[in-house]
Amino acid sequence: GNSVTQMEGPVTLSEEAFLTINCTYTATGYPSLFWYVQYPGEGLQLLLKATKADDKGSNKGFEATYRKETTSFHLEKGSVQVSDSAVYFCALRPYGNNRLAFGKGNQVVVIP
Amino acid sequence: DGGITQSPKYLFRKEGQNVTLSCEQNLNHDAMYWYRQDPGQGLRLIYYSQIVNDFQKGDIAEGYSVSREKKESFPLTVTSAQKNPTAFYLCASSPRGLAEPTDTQYFGPGTRLTVL
Repeated sequence: GNSVTQMEGPVTLSEEAFLTINCTYTATGYPSLFWYVQYPGEGLQLLLKATKADDKGSNKGFEATYRKETTSFHLEKGSVQVSDSAVYFCALRPYGNNRLAFGKGNQVVVIP
Repeated sequence: DGGITQSPKYLFRKEGQNVTLSCEQNLNHDAMYWYRQDPGQGLRLIYYSQIVNDFQKGDIAEGYSVSREKKESFPLTVTSAQKNPTAFYLCASSPRGLAEPTDTQYFGPGTRLTVL
């Protein structure tokens, strides 16, 4: 089946630190991959996406590269800010199927 | 402004009552979705609709019902048969649904339902 695995536990880091959140997936065919961000008490906002292998999605300083060989879509940001504190969800959409599969999310806390 | 609206933001109901959550979009999107989010969990799909007057069960449809009488509206009813209804409910829409293999879903702000 289709599934997404995110690293366990919250991520706490200092302002201006480098952020990496791991995401690996299992899927048949060629899925599209997404990162969504959820701020406290709000819905999900699309952060970035990639629809084919080797594509790099980027937005607001965040980047993720679709790696088919390692079935990964890790999220990175070079210098985080306090305003980046949120929950980040990795998701996949199987090709030709609009049922998104979500990871469990990672809480990111950025300390001033 | 185009977007997805969900109302109300917070909803309280007594156990055994049905309750309907509203979702409206003015993005002219074909497909709409309902998800449930529980603390520390990812989102789980309840129902989705590709076009007007058509909808499909998701992974956790038991105890829920939907209708899609208008393109812009996709209300979700949480019935008394839903054993654990307290959760955060998110509505989403996407431009083309199955018609576009790389279609992207966009989410509303959510409704937090608490059953007392």
